[in-house]
Amino acid sequence: DSGVTQTPKHLITATGQRVTLRCSPRSGDLSVYWYQQSLDQGLQFLIQYYNGEERAKGNILERFSAQQFPDLHSELNLSSLELGDSALYFCASSVIAGRGDTQYFGPGTRLTVL
Amino acid sequence: GEDVEQSLFLSVREGDSSVINCTYTDSSSTYLYWYKQEPGAGLQLLTYIFSNMDMKQDQRLTVLLNKKDKHLSLRIADTQTGDSAIYFCAESLNNNDMRFGAGTRLTVKP
Repeated sequence: DSGVTQTPKHLITATGQRVTLRCSPRSGDLSVYWYQQSLDQGLQFLIQYYNGEERAKGNILERFSAQQFPDLHSELNLSSLELGDSALYFCASSVIAGRGDTQYFGPGTRLTVL
Repeated sequence: GEDVEQSLFLSVREGDSSVINCTYTDSSSTYLYWYKQEPGAGLQLLTYIFSNMDMKQDQRLTVLLNKKDKHLSLRIADTQTGDSAIYFCAESLNNNDMRFGAGTRLTVKP
């Protein structure tokens, strides 16, 4: 158990809908990262937050947004869902935000868009 | 190329050494990582190497870095069945973005 929790574990929804994925980092970690893992695209970095502020952006679509709240939990919002958004979404956390800082991954949320 | 490249599959016998290879993209990447993903689980950071190093050893794991060829390898000594997993190579880019390879599925046969 990494100490990073993600809810829900599974999510099934329809095209065009909007969902929110939630992540609670390890106690004391200030930085949260979101990743998407799909069969055709592999593992892709989406976005990083550090202490409530956006720190780095990867291949995140405009339909997707995220935020980190004062209690440091984070939410990833996915809207106007398409079939191709079906994937595993991982959250990771680290103490700070530097390269080489160990990222601890949560168990993931499996999103299925029908 | 633009992708971090890894071979997709590797099969070894228990007790043998495993070597997983990776070619990364950005010569200015300062950190290179190896992650392990077991079925149904998230990614576990195994080890990382800073770009000014050639080698890093951590118990059964040895990471070799060839900056000239942008080649990274992970050697697992005395491979065990519990090492069966997917191993991802990743590089940290200058903008804090991380780029992952497609993963190498390691199968360890008894």
